[in-house]
Amino acid sequence: EPEVTQTPSHQVTQMGQEVILRCVPISNHLYFYWYRQILGQKVEFLVSFYNNEISEKSEIFDDQFSVERPDGSNFTLKIRSTKLEDSAMYFCASIPGINTGELFFGEGSRLTVL
Amino acid sequence: QKEVEQNSGPLSVPEGAIASLNCTYSDRVSQSFFWYRQYSGKSPELIMSIYSNGDKEDGRFTAQLNKASQYVSLLIRDSQPSDSATYLCAMESGGGADGLTFGKGTHLIIQP
Repeated sequence: EPEVTQTPSHQVTQMGQEVILRCVPISNHLYFYWYRQILGQKVEFLVSFYNNEISEKSEIFDDQFSVERPDGSNFTLKIRSTKLEDSAMYFCASIPGINTGELFFGEGSRLTVL
Repeated sequence: QKEVEQNSGPLSVPEGAIASLNCTYSDRVSQSFFWYRQYSGKSPELIMSIYSNGDKEDGRFTAQLNKASQYVSLLIRDSQPSDSATYLCAMESGGGADGLTFGKGTHLIIQP
């Protein structure tokens, strides 16, 4: 069964450093997402990406965040200058079309900022 | 502001009994509702989707939606220890672009 894959599974970084989280969505899916879950808290929408551009972004997705699909398969989330409060699990997800919340989630990348 | 509210629990249910999980939401425009299961340290996994008022059954799971009351529920029949997890209620109101709004989840414990 096709799946969303994410790397790395866990990254530890120093505050102020740049981090890139990578995702390979399911190949025939059209919408891609990043979500964040701080430990013990709810899953929060960060950004959606369709047709090689951002469709929507939340208030959390400020100027320190960026996304891109550099080679048609990988979908990356870059955090430019990490803060302690960026420590969280970051989930990539994809769906085959619009008007469906039946997200296929990757296993997540745990980011720890020291 | 779109909000999804759930009782965080823990909700403890004996094995074989019915577990009842509830969720309320604030956005009257919401069209689609979902229940995800999340094991500790893992990613959410879709259990059920429901789009219209009434009940929807899938195996041991039944989702119930009442848009007038802005209420969604999930029933798990014949609860098993493997059902022990956090159950996340989510809603979609803006098409695919807006993503889902999740509740904080209800921690369910099935006692053998």
